[in-house]
Amino acid sequence: GNSVTQMEGPVTLSEEAFLTINCTYTATGYPSLFWYVQYPGEGLQLLLKATKADDKGSNKGFEATYRKETTSFHLEKGSVQVSDSAVYFCALSDKAGGTSYGKLTFGQGTILTVHP
Amino acid sequence: GAVVSQHPSRVICKSGTSVKIECRSLDFQATTMFWYRQFPKQSLMLMATSNEGSKATYEQGVEKDKFLINHASLTLSTLTVTSAHPEDSSFYICSARGIGGPEQYFGPGTRLTVT
Repeated sequence: GNSVTQMEGPVTLSEEAFLTINCTYTATGYPSLFWYVQYPGEGLQLLLKATKADDKGSNKGFEATYRKETTSFHLEKGSVQVSDSAVYFCALSDKAGGTSYGKLTFGQGTILTVHP
Repeated sequence: GAVVSQHPSRVICKSGTSVKIECRSLDFQATTMFWYRQFPKQSLMLMATSNEGSKATYEQGVEKDKFLINHASLTLSTLTVTSAHPEDSSFYICSARGIGGPEQYFGPGTRLTVT
């Protein structure tokens, strides 16, 4: 079955540091890949996505590239801010059949704390 | 665009009563809606998938008679927790997926506390 593995947290950084959160996946076929962010007490927000190999998703300074050869989708940001403190989830969605999409499979989440 | 709302955001109920949670897609038609449960410091656990106008598909181990899901329109799904017990206390999150894309858009969640 499908699975997503994220680097274990928590991750603690100083403001303006470089961020990498590793994510690797196992799936049949060609899944779509996502990063979601969850702020305390809230639901998940879609941060970025990539739907095919070599696609780069980007949003709010965050980037991730769909690497089929290494089955990875690592999240990066060049300079983090205190406001980036949240839980980050890597996820994939496989095709259920034909053109319909299946469920999301989530990683376990990585807690990021950024200090001033 | 792609906004999903949930109501209520918090609810406290007594053991044995039922609670209904609404999930609405505000600016798009949701052909499929999903209900998740999240325990503290953990990832999301998918409870069920519902397509508009048809019965929900429940994940293994989720009691369909306890967690009633209705998806009567393309913008509204409801989750009713029947005969709630303290162990049902949790953070319930819905998501919605529109036509033509794999991404799901999530509601803000509902914190249920059963006393």
